[in-house]
Amino acid sequence: GAGVSQSPSNKVTEKGKDVELRCDPISGHTALYWYRQRLGQGLEFLIYFQGNSAPDKSGLPSDRFSAERTGESVSTLTIQRTQQEDSAVYLCASSFIPLGGGYTFGSGTRLTVV
Amino acid sequence: SQQGEEDPQALSIQEGENATMNCSYKTSINNLQWYRQNSGRGLVHLILIRSNEREKHSGRLRVTLDTSKKSSSLLITASRAADTASYFCATDTGANSKLTFGKGITLSVRP
Repeated sequence: GAGVSQSPSNKVTEKGKDVELRCDPISGHTALYWYRQRLGQGLEFLIYFQGNSAPDKSGLPSDRFSAERTGESVSTLTIQRTQQEDSAVYLCASSFIPLGGGYTFGSGTRLTVV
Repeated sequence: SQQGEEDPQALSIQEGENATMNCSYKTSINNLQWYRQNSGRGLVHLILIRSNEREKHSGRLRVTLDTSKKSSSLLITASRAADTASYFCATDTGANSKLTFGKGITLSVRP
């Protein structure tokens, strides 16, 4: 597609349930990133995929968080046993490396844990 | 941890005035970028400046970079109400590194 697509756009879940967030990057973009943004805050890096290299998972806040990417296509971010502090907007972005250009962001998934 | 720190945290100006936002960072960088975010959703890339560049223009935007002071500024000239948004600076340390974002500046342009 023309842009980065994220689904669902909004998700309300009960505390303790697992959720799966999806990101479809721009075709041909080799790099894919997940960020988290709490209300009124900046972007917190979660995980970075670059081609076939091992992902940079250094930003994942706990072992309840995991992400996968198949080749250079779709990525899913999974949060297990959700907690209220997981409530945030989860943003996905993709870019073409190594031109070092800007990221293209999706519109995000707003996750609310009740 | 935050690499970029923007200031001021919030800025309110009248339409037609210029808006200047600053960003400081801590470690050596490869590129610095500015993004705009409306309504807490996806960010839009505005401009990228490389570490060997000092100034760059794009329409009403002017970005400067001072690597000796580890700082950058974003100037929006002749501001419009539609420029109301949050603005973030972001840095990377190489072609294969991730972007690290600052906390953002909230710009309000009064009509």
